[in-house]
Amino acid sequence: QQQVKQSPQSLIVQKGGISIINCAYENTAFDYFPWYQQFPGKGPALLIAIRPDVSEKKEGRFTISFNKSAKQFSLHIMDSQPGDSATYFCAASPDQGGKLIFGQGTELSVKP
Amino acid sequence: EAGVVQSPRYKIIEKKQPVAFWCNPISGHNTLYWYLQNLGQGPELLIRYENEEAVDDSQLPKDRFSAERLKGVDSTLKIQPAELGDSAVYLCASRQGAGNEQFFGPGTRLTVL
Repeated sequence: QQQVKQSPQSLIVQKGGISIINCAYENTAFDYFPWYQQFPGKGPALLIAIRPDVSEKKEGRFTISFNKSAKQFSLHIMDSQPGDSATYFCAASPDQGGKLIFGQGTELSVKP
Repeated sequence: EAGVVQSPRYKIIEKKQPVAFWCNPISGHNTLYWYLQNLGQGPELLIRYENEEAVDDSQLPKDRFSAERLKGVDSTLKIQPAELGDSAVYLCASRQGAGNEQFFGPGTRLTVL
């Protein structure tokens, strides 16, 4: 019940295309859903986050869509660029500022 | 503002040897986390500190792993003795007050031979 399931495991997108990564969870106590971006040799960096009281949040080219009833959330990267090539992790937190439970990660490759 | 600092960045040891990792969180961040990241996987929490107190260490293998956070600032994670399966990246993160964002360091990549 503490798991966060992420798909796909890897994704190849053409430059300018839309990248979509999906996550699902079971624990309804989760109240914070961030997406992290990780480049090789670096630690994860927060990209965008959402709380379950809103269905969508947009920051620049990055959008989180949240479906509370389905217990699913997704990351959309519009106008994908080669510099977006990285591993993306969704996560969920069951309490305010507590531990993050991460998905398995999606390796995104944006081809020029 | 400096980020989370970790050292060493890389460590190669023989199995059964001890190893220690050091973390300096962002100044003023009272919450400190140690995560384990296996190759191709998401990070998994090992231990969380609120100031000097370990408030969640349920995932820390206490037979060989130990951690401390003296004076509520820097932290050290130790493995003794190391096993082959401990080869992974050990990430440190910190958080300020009641905010949710956790800031991660670059990690220490451990290889156990």
